[in-house]
Amino acid sequence: DTEVTQTPKHLVMGMTNKKSLKCEQHMGHRAMYWYKQKAKKPPELMFVYSYEKLSINESVPSRFSPECPNSSLLNLHLHALQPEDSALYLCASSQDVGSATEAFFGQGTRLTVV
Amino acid sequence: LAKTTQPISMDSYEGQEVNITCSHNNIATNDYITWYQQFPSQGPRFIIQGYKTKVTNEVASLFIPADRKSSTLSLPRVSLSDTAVYYCLVGDYERNTGFQKLVFGTGTRLLVSP
Repeated sequence: DTEVTQTPKHLVMGMTNKKSLKCEQHMGHRAMYWYKQKAKKPPELMFVYSYEKLSINESVPSRFSPECPNSSLLNLHLHALQPEDSALYLCASSQDVGSATEAFFGQGTRLTVV
Repeated sequence: LAKTTQPISMDSYEGQEVNITCSHNNIATNDYITWYQQFPSQGPRFIIQGYKTKVTNEVASLFIPADRKSSTLSLPRVSLSDTAVYYCLVGDYERNTGFQKLVFGTGTRLLVSP
């Protein structure tokens, strides 16, 4: 199994809502990542988890809250988002943070904030 | 901090060979060069990675000159389905943690026409 599965595929939420994005991988990878991608722009790194611990936070606003319940799962909790947060949110995993350049990406969650 | 420079876009026709060149003048001694492919509304997909000389797999070839300040991704006999954005990346180490991060540049939009 070489897949990274993200749910939901699409999400529309209001600015006062609380929602969560989910990511799952069963490749035994110990590094997991969240990226944000706006239209016609490259993916931007948000968070890095290594062995279920948050290792890198790229100065992401606190309205985005990551969580890694176990080595296979990664969540991104969303609260009080703004319309400019609408984007494709991508989850990725790699063997470990030393092999970050050989990452597997999910299909992404298309988030629209209204 | 190694950065990459690629052409913004390229056009080709089916059956042609496409070469996309990437400049990375400040590449570090231990950095690998990695290429990803991304289709619209999908996550990036790892294509190929190399350190020096030439690497070939079932999808592409990667040519790296001796000074490693540039690299060329070669796609043989492209088809319409190769229309995508191609990203060139080099290692980007986070100073505080020593972790390697996957940092995407602007990428090259390849359009393959019939």
